[in-house]
Amino acid sequence: EVVMTQSPATLSVSPGDRATLSCRASQSVSSNLAWYQQKPGQAPRLLIYGTSTRATGIPARFSGSGSGTDFTLTISSLQSEDFAVYYCQQYNNGPATFGQGTRLEIK
Amino acid sequence: QLQLQESGPGLVKPSETLSLTCNVSGGSISSTSYYWGWIRQPPGKALEWIGSIYHSGNTYYNPSLKSRVTISVDTSKNQFSLKVTSVTAADTAVYYCATQSGRVVIIYYWGQGTLVTVSS
Repeated sequence: EVVMTQSPATLSVSPGDRATLSCRASQSVSSNLAWYQQKPGQAPRLLIYGTSTRATGIPARFSGSGSGTDFTLTISSLQSEDFAVYYCQQYNNGPATFGQGTRLEIK
Repeated sequence: QLQLQESGPGLVKPSETLSLTCNVSGGSISSTSYYWGWIRQPPGKALEWIGSIYHSGNTYYNPSLKSRVTISVDTSKNQFSLKVTSVTAADTAVYYCATQSGRVVIIYYWGQGTLVTVSS
């Protein structure tokens, strides 16, 4: 199966600043990559699919990029509600697999 | 908007079978637009896709769990279910039922999740 590796494990950023989260696949997943946000005690929420397409209702400050094995989720001008855990997930090869997550915390 | 709600025992003994049901509201489980799936998250760990089903009964599973997992659908009750046999402590997790738009595993809707603990 495809192993997804996210970095860093924890990212400390100040409100209003930009956050850049990385996700690497153990083999090419083309552009078949999604990002989810999970807050404590809640189910994940789909943010982005197809590497860069925002899901319904997701603010424009969330953007995704990349292809093949290296992907990035960028959150511009962080809001208080953005501090959460973010997971990447590939759906290109074999069983869908998720990364271990990046915890975005307030600096 | 679709809403999903998991139900089932929160405690299962080792070697027994874990059984969960997901009730779907706000839409029909027979919709041709959706697949229905299960995902789990062990405490403090990453998400793991378990498997998915179409209303026709066609299923596909994560190979790592396939030998122990069965997902079924009951269109008359607008529900789908998960069974995991021969459970161990490693199966302790929050289990989510979920909706995909098509066979591709992109999860658009999630249930709130239910914690299942495997312990004697």
